[in-house]
Amino acid sequence: EPEVTQTPSHQVTQMGQEVILRCVPISNHLYFYWYRQILGQKVEFLVSFYNNEISEKSEIFDDQFSVERPDGSNFTLKIRSTKLEDSAMYFCASSQLQGTETQYFGPGTRLLVL
Amino acid sequence: GQSLEQPSEVTAVEGAIVQINCTYQTSGFYGLSWYQQHDGGAPTFLSYNALDGLEETGRFSSFLSRSDSYGYLLLQELQMKDSASYFCAASNAGNMLTFGGGTRLMVKP
Repeated sequence: EPEVTQTPSHQVTQMGQEVILRCVPISNHLYFYWYRQILGQKVEFLVSFYNNEISEKSEIFDDQFSVERPDGSNFTLKIRSTKLEDSAMYFCASSQLQGTETQYFGPGTRLLVL
Repeated sequence: GQSLEQPSEVTAVEGAIVQINCTYQTSGFYGLSWYQQHDGGAPTFLSYNALDGLEETGRFSSFLSRSDSYGYLLLQELQMKDSASYFCAASNAGNMLTFGGGTRLMVKP
């Protein structure tokens, strides 16, 4: 069964450093998303992406965040200057169509900012 | 904005039936999804309701009442492996999911 993959599984970085989290969505999916989950809390929407542009973003997704689809398979989330409060699990998800009920989540990248 | 409320914890015994409720206050509501998440794992899709009524998928069923801004997830014939957190999530037309706080289900022998 096709699945969303994410790399790395864990990332430790120093405050102020840039990190890039990578995702490979399911191949025939057109809509891509990033979510984050701070330890013990709920999953929070960051951004959705379609047709090479951002379609929606939350208040969390400020100027330090950016997304890109650099080629036909990868979808990346860049955090430009990490803060301690960026420590969380970051999930990538994809869906086939807009308005479809099912988003498929990747296994996540656990980011720790020291 | 959207907010979803669900109980923080539910405990039940193996073989029993449990219902996890979710109430929501949203703008641009499109549908209600349910996701399961085991500790350290990713959310896994369980069920979705766009219309009022009951959707059944094996041991899991989900219900939605749009007029009451209310839904629930029903788990039947509980198994130990069902111990996990369950999240309701409201979607808008753009597919943004807003998650509730999650309900931790503990299944006891």
